[in-house]
Amino acid sequence: SYVLTQPPSVSVAPGQTATITCGGNDIGRKVVHWYQQRPGQAPVLVVYDDGDRPSGIPDRFSGSNSGNTATLTISRVEAVDEADYYCQVWDSDSDHQVFGTGTQVTVL
Amino acid sequence: QVQLVQSGAEVKKPGASVKVSCKTSGYSFSDHSVHWVRQAPGLGFEWMGWINPDNGGTKYAQKFQGWVTMTSDTSISTVYMEMTSLKSDDTAVYYCARERAGATTGEVDYWGQGTLVTVSS
Repeated sequence: SYVLTQPPSVSVAPGQTATITCGGNDIGRKVVHWYQQRPGQAPVLVVYDDGDRPSGIPDRFSGSNSGNTATLTISRVEAVDEADYYCQVWDSDSDHQVFGTGTQVTVL
Repeated sequence: QVQLVQSGAEVKKPGASVKVSCKTSGYSFSDHSVHWVRQAPGLGFEWMGWINPDNGGTKYAQKFQGWVTMTSDTSISTVYMEMTSLKSDDTAVYYCARERAGATTGEVDYWGQGTLVTVSS
């Protein structure tokens, strides 16, 4: 089955940039989505189709995808961005949705 | 506004069944597939499958085929997920989530609040 690997944690100071990676075999050929989950809450879609934002998501959130790595970038990080972030793809071989292992973002 | 409201927490014994409901509102029920995803305590997400409320079509993750059933009731804009033969490692928060309009790879844009299912003897 297809595996998506994320770093367990990322720490960033307020106002700086957080970079969260999502590694998968030839992931650049797939379409990647990103979710934010604050403690005790349901997830929120923050980026879809590699780099598009749903309405209401600040433009501080951006995404890219190439080769074996997809990336979620949070610019001008705020305390409210402290959460777990998960990448997701649809694996056509298995016709399954696959989630990444998740990254905890800590705002220092 | 779009809302997905799930039924309350459940405590079940091993071998029992559970049925979780997900009542939707604020959009055309038949126009969006609904996915089910679970999250074991302290862990990540596991996709379970989806249902097309318009025609009742379903797709289950291979792991859940045969013991998970997803259904829908268009008269009350509600989808259901039933699991049988529960085991302790099925203890998790179960989420329903609406597939985004125009989605080509199944991403979801609105989630229910989650239902904690605890399986314990």
